[in-house]
Amino acid sequence: RKEVEQDPGPFNVPEGATVAFNCTYSNSASQSFFWYRQDCRKEPKLLMSVYSSGNEDGRFTAQLNRASQYISLLIRDSKLSDSATYLCVVIATDSWGKLQFGAGTQVVVTP
Amino acid sequence: SQTIHQWPATLVQPVGSPLSLECTVEGTSNPNLYWYRQAAGRGLQLLFYSVGIGQISSEVPQNLSASRPQDRQFILSSKKLLLSDSGFYLCAQGGERVRNTEAFFGQGTRLTVV
Repeated sequence: RKEVEQDPGPFNVPEGATVAFNCTYSNSASQSFFWYRQDCRKEPKLLMSVYSSGNEDGRFTAQLNRASQYISLLIRDSKLSDSATYLCVVIATDSWGKLQFGAGTQVVVTP
Repeated sequence: SQTIHQWPATLVQPVGSPLSLECTVEGTSNPNLYWYRQAAGRGLQLLFYSVGIGQISSEVPQNLSASRPQDRQFILSSKKLLLSDSGFYLCAQGGERVRNTEAFFGQGTRLTVV
């Protein structure tokens, strides 16, 4: 079983709609969580950190469910520019700071 | 703020030729450094990580090697490239356990082995 798993998608989303997807992790010692965005043929860039209480950044909302060991990302009022691959990243306390990446969820926002 | 320099951006190399990709970081000291590879349409595969000078850990057996001659320098090498070495190579810095920091990536090197 992979340490971090994501639905690869693609999630085809009409412009203006809401889309949400999850990322599950297997290591219960996971402590830090992040969402990254990767555009085609570019490096991943940090979208947002995920805090225990959940957090929001504009149209993006991230949540953490420790009991079920998953994090989620919700995008409201989708824009064409939101089309990208979204990667979740997990760091475990029992590691040296090793980043565990999911394979990514592709989101395609259509006009 | 941290900055990661990675070069070259694009590289086309023949099979059997050597490879050297360099990554340097600024704005931090004693960083954790990583080399990832991403095949077309695939996720990130961790190749090597380093927690300090001369300290290299390999995640998967392969045709590549890494070195960290200085605190802020991380080099990915190969003596003889294979076709399967083609991909998008990314250097990253971050992920310190104590501070639980996020990672920052260089702009990547797109390697095509022909």
